[in-house]
Amino acid sequence: EAEVAQSPRYKITEKSQAVAFWCDPISGHATLYWYRQILGQGPELLVQFQDESVVDDSQLPKDRFSAERLKGVDSTLKIQPAELGDSAMYLCASSLGHRTFLPDTQYFGPGTRLTVL
Amino acid sequence: SQQGEEDPQALSIQEGENATMNCSYKTSINNLQWYRQNSGRGLVHLILIRSNEREKHSGRLRVTLDTSKKSSSLLITASRAADTASYFCATAPSGSARQLTFGSGTQLTVLP
Repeated sequence: EAEVAQSPRYKITEKSQAVAFWCDPISGHATLYWYRQILGQGPELLVQFQDESVVDDSQLPKDRFSAERLKGVDSTLKIQPAELGDSAMYLCASSLGHRTFLPDTQYFGPGTRLTVL
Repeated sequence: SQQGEEDPQALSIQEGENATMNCSYKTSINNLQWYRQNSGRGLVHLILIRSNEREKHSGRLRVTLDTSKKSSSLLITASRAADTASYFCATAPSGSARQLTFGSGTQLTVLP
């Protein structure tokens, strides 16, 4: 069964350092999402891509976070510089996304657990 | 911001019992979905119910939706220890069928 791949699974960094997370969605999925999940809370959407275009990045802290999906396939989320409050699980999800106004099932990767010291 | 609020925050039951979790939301929706998350893992989609539907079943899962009360419930029948996980409701607002806002989740523990 096809899965969403994410790497690394765990990342420990010091504040002010740069970190990057990678996501490879299920083949053929046009829509890709990055979420942040703080322990004990539900995921919060950071950015949504439709193919290579950003659909929604209204909750992305753009002073330090950036995301790209250059060829409309895999994606990278970067934080520079990392702050203590960025410690969280970063989840990537993908969906078929071919018909914008129809509901879609999102398939999640295992996530990257980030700890900022 | 969290659109949905699950109730209860935590639920502990014996194997074989039924588990009911509730979700309330604030704005009009296109659809509501339930997801499950095992500790430290990604989320798994369980079931989707559209705003014009009132009830859906999938195996041991039963979901109801009351748009007049802006609430939904997830019932897991004949629970098993393997059902132990966090359960989240997620809503897609009217006009955006797929941009999900997740609630804060219910932690279900099924004791063997």
